[in-house]
Amino acid sequence: AQSVTQPDIHITVSEGASLELRCNYSYGATPYLFWYVQSPGQGLQLLLKYFSGDTLVQGIKGFEAEFKRSQSSFNLRKPSVHWSDAAEYFCAVGAYQAGTALIFGKGTTLSVSS
Amino acid sequence: EPEVTQTPSHQVTQMGQEVILRCVPISNHLYFYWYRQILGQKVEFLVSFYNNEISEKSEIFDDQFSVERPDGSNFTLKIRSTKLEDSAMYFCASSERDTQYFGPGTRLTVL
Repeated sequence: AQSVTQPDIHITVSEGASLELRCNYSYGATPYLFWYVQSPGQGLQLLLKYFSGDTLVQGIKGFEAEFKRSQSSFNLRKPSVHWSDAAEYFCAVGAYQAGTALIFGKGTTLSVSS
Repeated sequence: EPEVTQTPSHQVTQMGQEVILRCVPISNHLYFYWYRQILGQKVEFLVSFYNNEISEKSEIFDDQFSVERPDGSNFTLKIRSTKLEDSAMYFCASSERDTQYFGPGTRLTVL
């Protein structure tokens, strides 16, 4: 079965601390992986994506993610969190083909404490 | 930067009524999608649309649902006879090829 698991429902991080959000996937074909962020009242904003090449990908807002095929993981990281990073983060997987469905994880809510 | 827009932002309707949710995809995109997110649950794929035809649909997308591109800019999702369980956030997305860009969503409340 195709699925995405985000094991952490809610994470609280101090401002300035590092962050890692976990994502594991199960997908029958070569996965095309995404991280999206949703701020309150906003839509899903694309942070970064990975299909092939360098397994460490850089995204917007200082985020990066590392693809590990052996672990079926695509974890999102940020070295120093800002208060404005508080939001819900979604990992998604799809095929490298237009018009196909993305499968989303349940999301991780990030709170940032001062 | 081009964005996907959706209207209305919030729609309240009575059970059994028809609703139409509207989306304006990014102008040079050719593929269009609808997803929904029931409160507290995952974002779920409903349907994708290309060249005036449905490309792929999920089991959620039954005969109650339909999609249309009525003109060169809009993409709509119609729910014929709403049920309580249709209450959700509905997201439209578009893609030029494989990367989907999402709109802000329409929150549908069925009473």
